[in-house]
Amino acid sequence: NAGVMQNPRHLVRRRGQEARLRCSPMKGHSHVYWYRQLPEEGLKFMVYLQKENIIDESGMPKERFSAEFPKEGPSILRIQQVVRGDSAAYFCASSPLPPGAYNEQFFGPGTRLTVL
Amino acid sequence: AQRVTQPEKLLSVFKGAPVELKCNYSYSGSPELFWYVQYSRQRLQLLLRHISRESIKGFTADLNKGETSFHLKKPFAQEEDSAMYYCALTGPNNAGNMLTFGGGTRLMVKP
Repeated sequence: NAGVMQNPRHLVRRRGQEARLRCSPMKGHSHVYWYRQLPEEGLKFMVYLQKENIIDESGMPKERFSAEFPKEGPSILRIQQVVRGDSAAYFCASSPLPPGAYNEQFFGPGTRLTVL
Repeated sequence: AQRVTQPEKLLSVFKGAPVELKCNYSYSGSPELFWYVQYSRQRLQLLLRHISRESIKGFTADLNKGETSFHLKKPFAQEEDSAMYYCALTGPNNAGNMLTFGGGTRLMVKP
């Protein structure tokens, strides 16, 4: 099992462009979480998804950010019209168990987004 | 609101010295507490969780509900312990067990 995969590892965008970050969970994991880490800060929860469903997006900015986890393929975090404040490390984590049972989250290596 | 606070951004100790990384939290109800570690150029990984009451790599952490703390301790630090350490919590109030992280403490163990 290769672990949680994220790509790209580094992404550079100019202001106003779109950023697409991909996360492939561990095999057999159907629960995906996205976290953002701003410089000098801890990780902050953004969104929790199961296959084809957004369960909790309470940490997502209301505008320009969206996430999906289709039936086939990786989870995608999409940021439209990026601004300099979006520069951060974005981490994906996956888990095999549903809520209600203790579940360890396994983290990917992160995508470092730089907005010029 | 739930919150995790790690008051020290950087902790520097000599090899063989005791280590204590502080973590305080606020949460309505009964949280589950964790310590995650990120070694240089590696991904974030779970170090230990309070429900397991286990010791990993010589580290232990006791949940003190009265003081709302979950400090990480090791009696004798090793150079390979140098890393970023994050305290985190989850609980029944968190849909899908999403984690709330502290700001992290960088531990540097000098030879």
